[in-house]
Amino acid sequence: AQKVTQAQTEISVVEKEDVTLDCVYETRDTTYYLFWYKQPPSGELVFLIRRNSFDEQNEISGRYSWNFQKSTSSFNFTITASQVVDSAVYFCALSEIDTGGFKTIFGAGTRLFVKA
Amino acid sequence: GAGVSQSPRYKVAKRGQDVALRCDPISGHVSLFWYQQALGQGPEFLTYFQNEAQLDKSGLPSDRFFAERPEGSVSTLKIQRTQQEDSAVYLCASSLELAGGYNEQFFGPGTRLTVL
Repeated sequence: AQKVTQAQTEISVVEKEDVTLDCVYETRDTTYYLFWYKQPPSGELVFLIRRNSFDEQNEISGRYSWNFQKSTSSFNFTITASQVVDSAVYFCALSEIDTGGFKTIFGAGTRLFVKA
Repeated sequence: GAGVSQSPRYKVAKRGQDVALRCDPISGHVSLFWYQQALGQGPEFLTYFQNEAQLDKSGLPSDRFFAERPEGSVSTLKIQRTQQEDSAVYLCASSLELAGGYNEQFFGPGTRLTVL
C-alpha cells in the first residue's frame, strides 16, 4: 500500500543553520509523483516542488534543495541558511499514476522551528 | 478572488447536526479536492472532482459525508448527523489541469469544524 513517512515530528534550529527534512515513501507503482508542501501558521498549504519517478535529478531553488533517491525511496528536503520565516509544517506527499486513482497521500508532517 | 476560498472559516456544531462547507476554487481550475486534516496530522484525501464529475470518493469516511460540484465550479461538502470524530480542518484544493493529484494543488485556508 502507498505510504509516506516523515519520521521527524519536530525540528528546532537556530537561524542560519542548515536543516534537512526526511521523507520516505512506499509504492508499488513505477510511475508516481512526489511533492513537498509548506503549511505556515496561517494554515494554507503552499506547493514547493513536484518530482516524477523518472527524474532523479536533484533540484535547487534558492535556499531550498531536494534529493530524490529511488534506491532508498527517499525524497529529502534541505533548507540552507534557515530563516525565521521558514518556520512552518512541511509535508511530503505521493501521487501514484498506475493504481492511486486521483488521490494524493500526505505524510504526517515535520514542524520546523527556526529561532532567531 | 485570486486564491481558493472556503466558508465558513470556523463552524461549531452540536452532535447530530448537519453541516455544509463551501469551497470556491480558482476560476478555471478543472480539478477540485477535499481533504480532512486532524490536529497534528497531514491532510487525508476525501474526494476528487473533475469539473462536475466526482471521479473518486474513496476517502469519504462514511455515508454521512457527501460532496457535490454541480456546475463544475463551487463545491459543497456536507456532513450529516455530525459526530465528535468529525472534528477536524476540512481543506479544499484546486488544480488547473485534468490529471487528478499529479499536479500542483492550490489550497484554501480550510474550515475548522468542531463538533460538541
